[in-house]
Amino acid sequence: QVQLQQWGAGLLKPSETLSLTCAVSGGSLSGYYWSWIRQSPGKGLEWIGEINYSGTTNNNPSLKSRASISIDTSKNQLSLNLNSVTAADTAVYYCARARPSSSGTTLGFDYWGQGTLVTVSS
Amino acid sequence: DIVMTQSPLSLPVPPGEPASISCRSSQSLLHSNGHNYLDWYLQKPGKSPQVLIYLGSTRAPGVPDRFSGSGSGTDFILKISRVEAEDIGIYFCMQALQTPRTFGQGTKLEI
Repeated sequence: QVQLQQWGAGLLKPSETLSLTCAVSGGSLSGYYWSWIRQSPGKGLEWIGEINYSGTTNNNPSLKSRASISIDTSKNQLSLNLNSVTAADTAVYYCARARPSSSGTTLGFDYWGQGTLVTVSS
Repeated sequence: DIVMTQSPLSLPVPPGEPASISCRSSQSLLHSNGHNYLDWYLQKPGKSPQVLIYLGSTRAPGVPDRFSGSGSGTDFILKISRVEAEDIGIYFCMQALQTPRTFGQGTKLEI
């Protein structure tokens, strides 16, 4: 059974860097797309970006290049860094796995992490 | 970005009754391969979202057959044939055709 276990700092001050890690157990990073998604009361669900096993990334332009997603295949983990955070980045952050389709798109986020609440406050 | 619009935003349904949620996209989600790249998710209270439907109408493994997805292009529907107590939560549609992936606002199903 595939499981995604997340962790990271839950309270940040404005201008600091958010760092989250997602460890994958029961399966490999290989062959899938791995995304970070966040959920806030004001903006609903927002896709932050994705990375594949080869390390190719796609980020949401709305975050103005503040987000960086990486993978560590030796540890079967993926990570998210989001720099220069503000109160608007307060949200529950999820990692999620998607199967790729033959057309380069995806076939549903079939496994999700448990979510990490990150609060940005001075 | 593709804008996803759901309706209604709140849906009270007695157990045993059918339910229907609409999702409309600002651009067609129909790929040249003939598939519609539209997912449906359910987020139960206090839990992470779970996939119900992908490619507009394909049920994810383990999803009860009372859930069905239909539609093409820009208009999609999620139907629950007979609502059960365990179906309460917020339903989201998401377009998977292009990045950035975008979600609907969510529809809260209440019993």
